[in-house]
Amino acid sequence: EVQLVESGGGLVQPGRSLRLSCTTSGFTFGDFAFSWVRQAPGKGLEWLGFIRSKSHGGTTEYAASVKGRFSFSRDDSKSVAYLHLNSLKADDTAVYYCNRGDGSGSYWGLGTLVTVSS
Amino acid sequence: DIQMTQSPSSLSASVGDRVTITCRASQGISNLLAWYQQKAQKAPKMLISDASSLLSGVPSRFSGSGSGTDFTLTISSLQPEDFATYYCQQYTTYPLSFGGGTKVEIK
Repeated sequence: EVQLVESGGGLVQPGRSLRLSCTTSGFTFGDFAFSWVRQAPGKGLEWLGFIRSKSHGGTTEYAASVKGRFSFSRDDSKSVAYLHLNSLKADDTAVYYCNRGDGSGSYWGLGTLVTVSS
Repeated sequence: DIQMTQSPSSLSASVGDRVTITCRASQGISNLLAWYQQKAQKAPKMLISDASSLLSGVPSRFSGSGSGTDFTLTISSLQPEDFATYYCQQYTTYPLSFGGGTKVEIK
């Protein structure tokens, strides 16, 4: 069974950093890209970007709203994808979902809540 | 960037009603469009890919149509479990983009 589980969310002060993890199982992690989508409270879905598989160069694509502050990485040996959030602002408060694929895949995690507040 | 506009933003309907949600892309996206259903406090669930292909396990009362810039999600006979928010998403070009959502509420 395909599973994606996000972790690492919580309360963080403005300006600080956080690393989210997407731990996966049930498939060959290295064959896939992984993406991140967020949803602010009461708002819609926002695509943040994705990291390609190593066989496709492991390169990344970012939404303009987070480029330069957020980054993606992956550890194929652990079957985990990461989202690194830097210089956090109050409007980064959201549930962060990982998705298998470039953001248009059918497998999603349950999400992890990040709250940015002093 | 491609903008996705959904309408209406919300609607009230009764069980058994036929419901139609539209999604318009700011430029042509061929058929590279997905529809998602999201219930409160849950992750989005993909219902339809490639504008009209129903994913495995999705009830046949859901259907999608369209190509180019105009797309439609139809629920032929609304069921109690269908009350949720629906999003369209284009995946022809990065950045991928979602519509603003349509909340389907009980009348």
